[in-house]
Amino acid sequence: QLQLQESGSGLVKPSQTLSLTCAVSGGSINSGSYSWSWIRQPPGKGLEWIGYIYQTGGTYYNPSLKGRVTISLDRSKNQFSLSLRSVTAADTAVYYCARGDPRDDAFDIWGQGTTVTVSS
Amino acid sequence: EIVLTQSPATLSLSPGERATLSCRASQSGSSYFAWYQQRPGQAPRLLIYDASYRAAGIPARFSGSGSGTDFTLTISSLEPEDFAVYYCQQRSNWPRITFGQGTRLEIK
Repeated sequence: QLQLQESGSGLVKPSQTLSLTCAVSGGSINSGSYSWSWIRQPPGKGLEWIGYIYQTGGTYYNPSLKGRVTISLDRSKNQFSLSLRSVTAADTAVYYCARGDPRDDAFDIWGQGTTVTVSS
Repeated sequence: EIVLTQSPATLSLSPGERATLSCRASQSGSSYFAWYQQRPGQAPRLLIYDASYRAAGIPARFSGSGSGTDFTLTISSLEPEDFAVYYCQQRSNWPRITFGQGTRLEIK
């Protein structure tokens, strides 16, 4: 069964870059036409979609993040990554990776989430 | 830009009762509409996709309906494990993915 696992820096200083990786196990990131997303949840708040990447390398990002986001794919390592530049305290959240259905973008598999705190 | 508004913000019911959760889109979009359940400390779980289809392993007491701008999640008879936060989500042209702000279903 496919599983996703987030990893990366749990504490990031303001103005620096947040970097996270999602490792895919139990299946290949290259199979099917799924999208691979990052979604975040600030403490006590709702879900915010950050963006996703297809196995082709094509990407969609949430315009509210104003060009600070890059999502990339590493097929050889069966993983995908998030880079969020110029972070502030508002970027403090639990960050989830998730797989999206190729037809309707319903997120059927999620990682357990990783907490990132932005603080000096 | 599509905005999804969920109502009510909090719903207080007892086990065995019927729950009806609503999600309204600010403009008519696609039927690519999903519902998720999130229990405390856990990742969200897909319940319903394409507005009315149950995801794999989801009990039959969960059902979804709606089209256009109005969508509904119904839980026919609440079990103790159903008390959680529920989110709606829609795919549209721009932005690609939008979530509602959530409905908290709590035990009365």
